[in-house]
Amino acid sequence: GAGVSQSPSNKVTEKGKDVELRCDPISGHTALYWYRQRLGQGLEFLIYFQGNSAPDKSGLPSDRFSAERTGESVSTLTIQRTQQEDSAVYLCASSLVAGVGAYNSPLHFGNGTRLTVT
Amino acid sequence: LAKTTQPISMDSYEGQEVNITCSHNNIATNDYITWYQQFPSQGPRFIIQGYKTKVTNEVASLFIPADRKSSTLSLPRVSLSDTAVYYCLLLDSSYKLIFGSGTRLLVRP
Repeated sequence: GAGVSQSPSNKVTEKGKDVELRCDPISGHTALYWYRQRLGQGLEFLIYFQGNSAPDKSGLPSDRFSAERTGESVSTLTIQRTQQEDSAVYLCASSLVAGVGAYNSPLHFGNGTRLTVT
Repeated sequence: LAKTTQPISMDSYEGQEVNITCSHNNIATNDYITWYQQFPSQGPRFIIQGYKTKVTNEVASLFIPADRKSSTLSLPRVSLSDTAVYYCLLLDSSYKLIFGSGTRLLVRP
């Protein structure tokens, strides 16, 4: 079956430009997560969606970052006025449920979007 | 949030059993212990999860002592393709999975 799909797989942009990263979760998964991974480091939690709502956006690094989810499906992570420190791999994951139900609902990750800001 | 501590890196040889130990001294009563594996240029992949004692699946075993302050991921007879980063995490009733830096396992021929 189809897994989590992210696009584009690679994105090179100039400093100051806006970028949009897309995530298509596994069908029927109600929870969707965005993480950031800098080269050689662990994953940094950004934001989580339960359905179309984001209960906690505190992981977003600055107000240049925003995310939305529609139809309890596709999610878009937008970075405005990109900076060089935004260069990283942005990973999306989905799971069937979240919260207490997550005990039996592991995260399924996409392969990420590698963002390079020049 | 409870934290986990694991070795930065480990080396092994093909065919050996590899044990990666994770410390989580402040684990809460309702926390589950979860392990993910990440290959280069891929997102992490769920390996195994447990609450206490021993859990085994087709990929690995997870050993958890009675006090639950640590856990050990055991990979039997590793191959070159097991070279990856292994993350130990605590899953609680909140929505966040917090990933540390993981353990880089290198399997040599």
